[in-house]
Amino acid sequence: RKEVEQDPGPFNVPEGATVAFNCTYSNSASQSFFWYRQDCRKEPKLLMSVYSSGNEDGRFTAQLNRASQYISLLIRDSKLSDSATYLCVVSMNNNAGNMLTFGGGTRLMVKP
Amino acid sequence: NAGVTQTPKFRVLKTGQSMTLLCAQDMNHEYMYWYRQDPGMGLRLIHYSVGEGTTAKGEVPDGYNVSRLKKQNFLLGLESAAPSQTSVYFCASSRLLAPSYNEQFFGPGTRLTVL
Repeated sequence: RKEVEQDPGPFNVPEGATVAFNCTYSNSASQSFFWYRQDCRKEPKLLMSVYSSGNEDGRFTAQLNRASQYISLLIRDSKLSDSATYLCVVSMNNNAGNMLTFGGGTRLMVKP
Repeated sequence: NAGVTQTPKFRVLKTGQSMTLLCAQDMNHEYMYWYRQDPGMGLRLIHYSVGEGTTAKGEVPDGYNVSRLKKQNFLLGLESAAPSQTSVYFCASSRLLAPSYNEQFFGPGTRLTVL
């Protein structure tokens, strides 16, 4: 079983749609959670951190459910520029080296 | 401020050849990492370093060696390349600020094909 699992997609949505991605993680000791964005043939970049209380950044909302070991990302009013692969990432703060564990990514394609 | 840079961007090797990938960062970060990314697999950690002169194994270290002689540079070596090492290699760096997580900044990647 992968440590971080995501639906690979692709999710094909029209502009303006709301889309949600989910992610599950297997290590209950994980303490930090993130969504990274990766454009085609580019490097991953941090999109947002995920906090237990949930957090919002503009059109993006992230939620964490520790009991179910589940993370979500909601994108409202999708733009063409949101087309990318979204990587779910977890970390254990107490590990030496600040290491991250990545999911395989969920691909989003926003169509006109 | 270039951030994290990687050389080369592309490389084609024959089985058994050797090569070194160079990663450089100008952010004075303590931590540096090498990942490989294969379709559907996500990024997997090969080796990492928590400071100059120190390295450690990650999830998939076999077939690779690393060195960090200078704080700003992290080298990944393939002594005898195999087709299974065909992949996209990413280098990353982050600050040291325990116990909180710090964002990892990635280089643009190196696309390696081993024939």
